[in-house]
Amino acid sequence: AQKVTQAQTEISVVEKEDVTLDCVYETRDTTYYLFWYKQPPSGELVFLIRRNSFDEQNEISGRYSWNFQKSTSSFNFTITASQVVDSAVYFCALSEANQGGSEKLVFGKGTKLTVNP
Amino acid sequence: DTEVTQTPKHLVMGMTNKKSLKCEQHMGHRAMYWYKQKAKKPPELMFVYSYEKLSINESVPSRFSPECPNSSLLNLHLHALQPEDSALYLCASSQETGVPEQYFGPGTRLTVT
Repeated sequence: AQKVTQAQTEISVVEKEDVTLDCVYETRDTTYYLFWYKQPPSGELVFLIRRNSFDEQNEISGRYSWNFQKSTSSFNFTITASQVVDSAVYFCALSEANQGGSEKLVFGKGTKLTVNP
Repeated sequence: DTEVTQTPKHLVMGMTNKKSLKCEQHMGHRAMYWYKQKAKKPPELMFVYSYEKLSINESVPSRFSPECPNSSLLNLHLHALQPEDSALYLCASSQETGVPEQYFGPGTRLTVT
């Protein structure tokens, strides 16, 4: 069975600090996708990144970076120079590929990040 | 444009009421989803529509009735709900093939009194 673990329930940092959100996943499939979503207090889930199981290249987008390591089944997310607007709940999610397109997402429990001024 | 819209934003209903939640996307996506999210929990999948046909029902009680009138619209009809059904209801859509990420709407905050 698929499972996503986000061990950090809540993290609090001061603005401009770097912060890493951890995500560990379990799956028996060799082909799968990993995602990060951001949920600000307004409630909308915002898609941040997708990574497929064959692409272990790390990715950087502005202040955001992601470290995918199949060897440790981890897909960690780092925010550099955090800002108050980064305060949100962040969800890591996993889906199997080749399910005819309508994917079932398995979400972690989320990490609530608070960035204080 | 990666926008999914949902109406209403907030809904308060009694246990005997009938109401509907609406979701719309114009991204040409052929898969649409309903999720339920309780406070401090991750979203839980309720229903999936693929090419306007119900493909997944996660054993949701019959007081929730989904409908997909066309490829851009998704409704969730509510009847005889219980207070424990109070939650944020999120709609999402995705392309049917190739690009699996789901794009979510802002949600409807439902309170059942």
